Amino acid sequence: DQQVKQNSPSLSVQEGRISILICDYTNSMFDYFLWYKKYPAEGPTFLISISSIKDKNEDGRFTVFLNKSAKHLSLHIVPSQPGDSAVYFCAASAWRVKGAQKLVFGQGTRLTINP
Amino acid sequence: SQTIHQWPATLVQPVGSPLSLECTVEGTSNPNLYWYRQAAGRGLQLLFYSVGIGQISSEVPQNLSASRPQDRQFILSSKKLLLSDSGFYLCAWQPRDRVKEENSGNTIYFGEGSWLTVV
Repeated sequence: DQQVKQNSPSLSVQEGRISILICDYTNSMFDYFLWYKKYPAEGPTFLISISSIKDKNEDGRFTVFLNKSAKHLSLHIVPSQPGDSAVYFCAASAWRVKGAQKLVFGQGTRLTINP
Repeated sequence: SQTIHQWPATLVQPVGSPLSLECTVEGTSNPNLYWYRQAAGRGLQLLFYSVGIGQISSEVPQNLSASRPQDRQFILSSKKLLLSDSGFYLCAWQPRDRVKEENSGNTIYFGEGSWLTVV
């Protein structure tokens, strides 16, 4: 059961334009969401997060939007730069077992920024 | 600042051989620690997590085990590797609030990853 889905395996965007990566989830108990960026053969790098009490969080060129009613999450990158080319993972969390937070990841979307 | 390191970065092991991947975190104390695996073309799957020394929780039944002999050390092991154990293994840590028992919203930070190829 894929609780976090990134239905677009790849996305190609022109440099300078806006990149929009989307993520859908099914578990209504999720209350914390994160986006990670990953280069090949490296660990994921944390980008931005959002709590379910908010519907938007912004950090520089990155903005994450949360639509709880639709169980939909999106990451906007503007303007897109060549260095943004990577695989982006959406992750969600609801567990609080003994203080540990278990993230459920989507399958990832490969973003390519074209010059 | 906090850092996380895992090694070896790349490993090629024959079927049936043992495995030991090690991960250490610096610059923090009493972190939550995690082992994830990314199989080819798939997302990240949580394998184990630990909230303290000697406390290990397993997410999925498998051929692997984990141990936490020290506060900032997390080890992933196997006695006999299978072909299906091949993948990219990631250690991760999360700050743990000593006051609160629940870690609401704390980010998880990943290590560099270890490529395991079982042949």
